Formats: sequence, structure tokens, C-alpha cells
Amino acid sequence: GQSLEQPSEVTAVEGAIVQINCTYQTSGFYGLSWYQQHDGGAPTFLSYNGLDGLEETGRFSSFLSRSDSYGYLLLQELQMKDSASYFCAVFGSARQLTFGSGTQLTVLP
Amino acid sequence: DAGVIQSPRHEVTEMGQEVTLRCKPISGHDYLFWYRQTMMRGLELLIYFNNNVPIDDSGMPEDRFSAKMPNASFSTLKIQPSEPRDSAVYFCASSPDGAYEQYFGPGTRLTVT
Repeated sequence: GQSLEQPSEVTAVEGAIVQINCTYQTSGFYGLSWYQQHDGGAPTFLSYNGLDGLEETGRFSSFLSRSDSYGYLLLQELQMKDSASYFCAVFGSARQLTFGSGTQLTVLP
Repeated sequence: DAGVIQSPRHEVTEMGQEVTLRCKPISGHDYLFWYRQTMMRGLELLIYFNNNVPIDDSGMPEDRFSAKMPNASFSTLKIQPSEPRDSAVYFCASSPDGAYEQYFGPGTRLTVT
């Protein structure tokens, strides 16, 4: 089976940097994805790590350590529009995504 | 492209009634996924198709749920009979290669009273 853990809530101020951690236990691991979901909206893809290390996409970066079964999403220069839920998801050998329970990010002015 | 299209966007029905949710994936995408999202259980994969063939339906909660994909541009998720515990947002997603980047539709918010 697969299980993921991420914090339920994170709060930060506009312009700051925030890191959302994700630890996982799984059999058959290909990589770790991150999705963003605004209230009332659909999940949208942010990033994917298939290899160890850091992937950067604009203000967002994602990191993976396979040996530690650990990853994180780093959001820089926070903006009000970044307030949303962020999900880590394991991409496994069954070609499926298993989602974590999500982290609600609140960005304060 | 219009993205993944789902209908209806909202559905309110009474317990015992049949509910049919519809999905049109992005053209050219070979994989189609059905998810259910609730506060208690989060985002759960129900079933997915590859080239219109169901590959894994182990997430389907029980026999009351069924899904079909008669062609590459259309899929349905049916609940019969519906129960209040089926109330959730149901998402359809598609992917060109069954990989980690999936494109989600806007979802159908189902309320069973």
C-alpha cells in the first residue's frame, strides 16, 4: 500500500517563502507530483520529481530524496493568489497517482 | 483545446435514485481517471481506463458504482442506487500517457439527500 503525510495547514505572509513537506511510504515508486487546488476548483499540476534533487519552475520548486522517502514544495515570493491547497502525490508502478491529504496554505497580507 | 469537460456541474438527488456523471477527456489522451473527493477521505482514485479499457477498478467503493468508456471521447460514472454517503465532488482527469501529469475537469458536486 501507499501512505503520504503532509501538514494540514501552513500560514505565511505575502512575499515570504514557504516549504510544504511530504513523506511517503510506498511499494513501487516512480516519482512525486505536486498539485494545487483552489477552493471550489480542480487540482492542477505543478511539478514532478522522478529523480533526486531540485526542480525549479518559476516561483515554485520541488525537491525529492528517494533515500529518505521525502519531498517538499517550495513557494517563493508568496502572493495572495497562492492561497490554496497543495497535494503531494506518489506516482507508482501501477501508473496511478495516490494523493496526500493536502496542505491548506493561507497567505496573509 | 477546451480541456476536460464534465457534466453536470452540480447534481442534487434523493437517496435511491440513479445518478450518471459524464466526462469528455482531452482529445488524444489515452488515459482517463475518475476520482472522488471528500473532506473525510480526500482525493481517491475510483477507476481508470487506458484506450477505453478499464485497467484498475479497485477503488470503486461497491457494486452500486459502475463506469464505462464506450469510445475515446466519452465516459460515464453511474451510481445506482445512490446513498447520502456518496455525496462528494467527482473529478474526471485525462492524461496523454498515463503519467504523473493529469488534467482534471471542473468536477461534479453530487449531493444525495
